[in-house]
Amino acid sequence: AQRVTQPEKLLSVFKGAPVELKCNYSYSGSPELFWYVQYSRQRLQLLLRHISRESIKGFTADLNKGETSFHLKKPFAQEEDSAMYYCALLSGGTSYGKLTFGQGTILTVHP
Amino acid sequence: GAVVSQHPSRVICKSGTSVKIECRSLDFQATTMFWYRQFPKQSLMLMATSNEGSKATYEQGVEKDKFLINHASLTLSTLTVTSAHPEDSSFYICSARGQTYNEQFFGPGTRLTVL
Repeated sequence: AQRVTQPEKLLSVFKGAPVELKCNYSYSGSPELFWYVQYSRQRLQLLLRHISRESIKGFTADLNKGETSFHLKKPFAQEEDSAMYYCALLSGGTSYGKLTFGQGTILTVHP
Repeated sequence: GAVVSQHPSRVICKSGTSVKIECRSLDFQATTMFWYRQFPKQSLMLMATSNEGSKATYEQGVEKDKFLINHASLTLSTLTVTSAHPEDSSFYICSARGQTYNEQFFGPGTRLTVL
């Protein structure tokens, strides 16, 4: 069975500092991984996906199959980055698959 | 972008009553809808997957007679919590995926409180 682990429930940094939110997964198939973000009082929204290999709002994430990790990084955190971040794994294929979410990490960026 | 709405946003009911939550895709046809449950400051737990016109597939441990899911059209899915009890109090979130958009779009959630 698939599993997503986010070891840090809370993460606090100061504005301008680098930030890394950790995500590890276990899955027997070929993984498709995502990062979702939930700002205060807002709905869950897709931040980025590994297959796109893009940078969104300064965030990047690289899939490391050897370490089964998909850590989210940003070199200079901003206060508006404060939110709940979820790592998710899609299993069962792109068209019919379902998402398994990690426990989430609450990121707080202090001024 | 694709928009998913949920109604109601908040509901309070008495123990033993049934509550229906609607999930609508506003500007796309959702071939698949998902229902999640989220506890405060915790992860989303997938409850069931529903494809339009067919029976929902429930995750292990989710009572299908307790949580009735209907996906009768390409823009609407409903979750009915039957004979609700205080332990059913939670935040219920739906998401929808269509053929055009290859990702899930999430609704704003429904806060259910059972007294």
